[in-house]
Amino acid sequence: KQEVTQIPAALSVPEGENLVLNCSFTDSAIYNLQWFRQDPGKGLTSLLLIQSSQREQTSGRLNASLDKSSGRSTLYIAASQPGDSATYLCAVANSGYALNFGKGTSLLVTP
Amino acid sequence: EAQVTQNPRYLITVTGKKLTVTCSQNMNHEYMSWYRQDPGLGLRQIYYSMNVEVTDKGDVPEGYKVSRKEKRNFPLILESPSPNQTSLYFCASSPRQRRYTEAFFGQGTRLTVV
Repeated sequence: KQEVTQIPAALSVPEGENLVLNCSFTDSAIYNLQWFRQDPGKGLTSLLLIQSSQREQTSGRLNASLDKSSGRSTLYIAASQPGDSATYLCAVANSGYALNFGKGTSLLVTP
Repeated sequence: EAQVTQNPRYLITVTGKKLTVTCSQNMNHEYMSWYRQDPGLGLRQIYYSMNVEVTDKGDVPEGYKVSRKEKRNFPLILESPSPNQTSLYFCASSPRQRRYTEAFFGQGTRLTVV
């Protein structure tokens, strides 16, 4: 069964810093990997989707990379802002019918 | 606006009182699923549906039922809720070609069973 791990579990940074969130998975036979943002009391917002054949995807200040062979993905956030404070989840799609989620990284960006 | 809508957002109920959480999507997606999120355990799939009248168990189906009579709706039914079903529930949908497409999630339903 696919195991997805996110490190660190929590992260606090001052505003303006660039930061990297990590996601690792045990089974490299993936369809795609998706990064989500979860705000307290709200749903999951999709940030980026990387197909298994892709190496990276970018959206604004966010850049996600995928190294399937080593079972790793990173989410890079440039010039962090207090509004980026949230929990970030990565989810891996395999041949099964469930998305396999990590437990998330809780990010706090302080002014 | 493309969206997955869950209702209610918050629900407090008593043990044994049947309840239904509704989920509706307006994107004509074939695939829908339910997850629960618990501290320390992350999100786990409860049930999924590949299309109308096609449903199957996920990782944690005990105590839940689902139905898929229409493409847009996928209600989650708790026939006799228990306190261990207190959780945050999410409905999700995606097109049939899952391997190439992103999943869309609802806003969540926070259920408390006392």
